[in-house]
Amino acid sequence: AQSVTQLGSHVSVSEGALVLLRCNYSSSVPPYLFWYVQYPNQGLQLLLKYTTGATLVKGINGFEAEFKKSETSFHLTKPSAHMSDAAEYFCAVSGSTNAGKSTFGDGTTLTVKP
Amino acid sequence: GAVVSQHPSWVICKSGTSVKIECRSLDFQATTMFWYRQFPKKSLMLMATSNEGSKATYEQGVEKDKFLINHASLTLSTLTVTSAHPEDSSFYICSATNRDRGTYEQYFGPGTRLTVT
Repeated sequence: AQSVTQLGSHVSVSEGALVLLRCNYSSSVPPYLFWYVQYPNQGLQLLLKYTTGATLVKGINGFEAEFKKSETSFHLTKPSAHMSDAAEYFCAVSGSTNAGKSTFGDGTTLTVKP
Repeated sequence: GAVVSQHPSWVICKSGTSVKIECRSLDFQATTMFWYRQFPKKSLMLMATSNEGSKATYEQGVEKDKFLINHASLTLSTLTVTSAHPEDSSFYICSATNRDRGTYEQYFGPGTRLTVT
């Protein structure tokens, strides 16, 4: 069994400020973890993923996330927010090598203020 | 790249009619395709998993006779919503895993917005 909790359904930051989107997971097996971004009326785009190896994962658009097993967390960060980062962000966990068997969190809406 | 397309991007139909949504992998062969449903301001709900040439596997609570899935080739899967009703109105998204890149990553289509009147 697996589940994902995204803390904070809405996050608002100023342009240039740090972005921190929180994700905690539970999985009965070693997890594979993903962050996706969704713009209005579009599908999901993969930002980054953790499978094995290095726990600090760098993704596209300046985002990164750190897998912390002891905290069962996979928080997404970006040092400096851009207006174009405003979107919906989803954290997902898979207990198998098949990403399609992922369980998604409820999403976090990121707003970037000028 | 790994591009997945969906057609149509939006559709409006009358209650009682059937609607077919296509999902295509444009530049790769898809081992598996997945169909999701997304309600407004909500997360994605996996509806079913389809593999080329075999019957789709539906998640618990999804009516297989209502949501017909056909995976005719390694690049095409279709979802048919039969006898659609207003409660079927939703955003439907497909994804695919690349046969040559393993299954660690899924590539999403742009989604199809279905409105049933």
